[in-house]
Amino acid sequence: QVQLQESGPGLVKPSETLSLTCTVSGGSISSYYWSWIRQPAGKGLEWIGRIYSSGSTNYNPSLKSRVTMSVDTSKNQFSLNLNSVTAADAAVYFCARAPSGTTTGYYYYYMDVWGKGTTVTVSS
Amino acid sequence: SYELTQSPSVSVYPGQTASITCSGDKLGDKYACWYQQKPGQSPVLVIYQDSKRPSGIPERFSGSNSGNTATLTISGTQAMDEADYYCQVWDSSTGVFGGGTKLTVL
Repeated sequence: QVQLQESGPGLVKPSETLSLTCTVSGGSISSYYWSWIRQPAGKGLEWIGRIYSSGSTNYNPSLKSRVTMSVDTSKNQFSLNLNSVTAADAAVYFCARAPSGTTTGYYYYYMDVWGKGTTVTVSS
Repeated sequence: SYELTQSPSVSVYPGQTASITCSGDKLGDKYACWYQQKPGQSPVLVIYQDSKRPSGIPERFSGSNSGNTATLTISGTQAMDEADYYCQVWDSSTGVFGGGTKLTVL
């Protein structure tokens, strides 16, 4: 079955760029949307954005100016860059597979496979 | 931006039915899904497209969505169902989560 694994630095300095990669195993990255979600300690889930295997993206408006997502189909990986980080960006970051489409006139979007998450601390 | 509202907490005795609600403007015109998250774990999808259960999710989990409210119902609640539950929809090219509901099994 499909498995996702986040990787990247666990510590990022303020004002620098957070960079994470999600590696997809057990299946192809093609023909799916892939999402990033974060969760500050003790708080709820926050949607960061999604990327299709072709590279098209949607971002959370509150983060859009600082977020870039990319996909590398040859490596079955997708990535998140978040620049100009502050302490407010400290969180557990999850990647997830996100089936999406239209049925019976309504658009569906949900996340059915999640990585285990990686903790990012922002500190100098 | 679109907002989803969930009660912070719900309590239920074992064997009883738990109802967790999610409210939003004309929510019934969108597909809702639900995630279960236990401490220190990743979220798990329990309901998608309002009422569909992914493979491996027990039949005691069910969902509905109409008007301004989506509801996750857990029939015959078990101790293992104690967790945080989040609703989520897609609106204006953005994923939106509710604030989460902590389900306590007394």
